[in-house]
Amino acid sequence: QKEVEQNSGPLSVPEGAIASLNCTYSDRVSQSFFWYRQYSGKSPELIMSIYSNGDKEDGRFTAQLNKASQYVSLLIRDSQPSDSATYLCAVKGNQFYFGTGTSLTVIP
Amino acid sequence: GAVVSQHPSWVICKSGTSVKIECRSLDFQATTMFWYRQFPKQSLMLMATSNEGSKATYEQGVEKDKFLINHASLTLSTLTVTSAHPEDSSFYICSAAPGPNHEQYFGPGTRLTVT
Repeated sequence: QKEVEQNSGPLSVPEGAIASLNCTYSDRVSQSFFWYRQYSGKSPELIMSIYSNGDKEDGRFTAQLNKASQYVSLLIRDSQPSDSATYLCAVKGNQFYFGTGTSLTVIP
Repeated sequence: GAVVSQHPSWVICKSGTSVKIECRSLDFQATTMFWYRQFPKQSLMLMATSNEGSKATYEQGVEKDKFLINHASLTLSTLTVTSAHPEDSSFYICSAAPGPNHEQYFGPGTRLTVT
């Protein structure tokens, strides 16, 4: 079992819709959770961090964490074509683990 | 936000030569720096983790004598690809973290082409 699992996608949503990206992790001692966005040919960019159970909102982005279920998600409201990218989930426990990423395409 | 720079952004070298890539944290001190490699359309692959003043920890399958890492200060880490071969051609990305439980901030990456 991988430490961090994400659906590779591709996930396609129409412009203006909500995109939902999901991530599960295996290490129960994980304390820090991050979402990164990576455009093709570029390096990852941090967009959200979350440390406690519940929701954290930042603009159009909402991160949700459920430690009991070992689940973290990212919701993107009012999706825009510029949101088209690969989204990486990262989890920090004793070590830092990245998922393989979910490719998102927002269709105009 | 925290800024990490990498230099050079791209480099072309001949097979058998060595290439050094620099990674700098510009506005924070990085206790830990990470080096990744990414092939086209593939996910990030962690190569090694380095802490300032100590030897790097390499991931399984990464040759430490080929990929030399030096984390000389809290703001600078270097990766030297020694005796480069065409199969070393890849996108090399560094990241830096201000502390052990902090997020990683990525540099813009270095695209290496070995001819």
